[in-house]
Amino acid sequence: GENVEQHPSTLSVQEGDSAVIKCTYSDSASNYFPWYKQELGKGPQLIIDIRSNVGEKKDQRIAVTLNKTAKHFSLHITETQPEDSAVYFCAASAGGSYIPTFGRGTSLIVHP
Amino acid sequence: ETGVTQSPTHLIKTRGQQVTLRCSSQSGHNTVSWYQQALGQGPQFIFQYYREEENGRGNFPPRFSGLQFPNYSSELNVNALELDDSALYLCASSFQEGTNEKLFFGSGTQLSVL
Repeated sequence: GENVEQHPSTLSVQEGDSAVIKCTYSDSASNYFPWYKQELGKGPQLIIDIRSNVGEKKDQRIAVTLNKTAKHFSLHITETQPEDSAVYFCAASAGGSYIPTFGRGTSLIVHP
Repeated sequence: ETGVTQSPTHLIKTRGQQVTLRCSSQSGHNTVSWYQQALGQGPQFIFQYYREEENGRGNFPPRFSGLQFPNYSSELNVNALELDDSALYLCASSFQEGTNEKLFFGSGTQLSVL
């Protein structure tokens, strides 16, 4: 089955800096890559997703890049704010399975 | 808010007992997935129900079972509870059609097994 590795496990930045979280996946059949943000006491919330037919997607301060050849994808957050502090999860799923496999998560801490 | 509600929010059980967790999916969704999230880990897939039928199962023993009802709400049942079952149990609903794979999670049920 699919295996998703996520790094780093903890990321500490100053407000206004950029943050990058990286993930690799093992199943070449995976073609859907969502990212989730989980705040304390809440369930994961989808923040951005990308399909394998595109290499990059942006939504305001958030962007995701995908390298299918290397089987890795990354989340980029620019101009970080304290409210960006949360645990971020990457995930991958093969076409039509509707069952994503999650990484272990990255705890992002943004210091004011 | 996602519109996915789970109950109860917290639960304490003792080893060997049985537990039932409930999930109401978002309006218009036809699929419910259950995940187990241990402290400091990512969600682990338990199983998924699509139109009342089990549509996939992760690496969990048979004492983890589920149901989906005609209104697409769902239950997760765990028999013979073990200490390692202590975790946050997440329900996610979705509308499976074509390439629509977005999951919408509830806030979870925190289960403690003593």
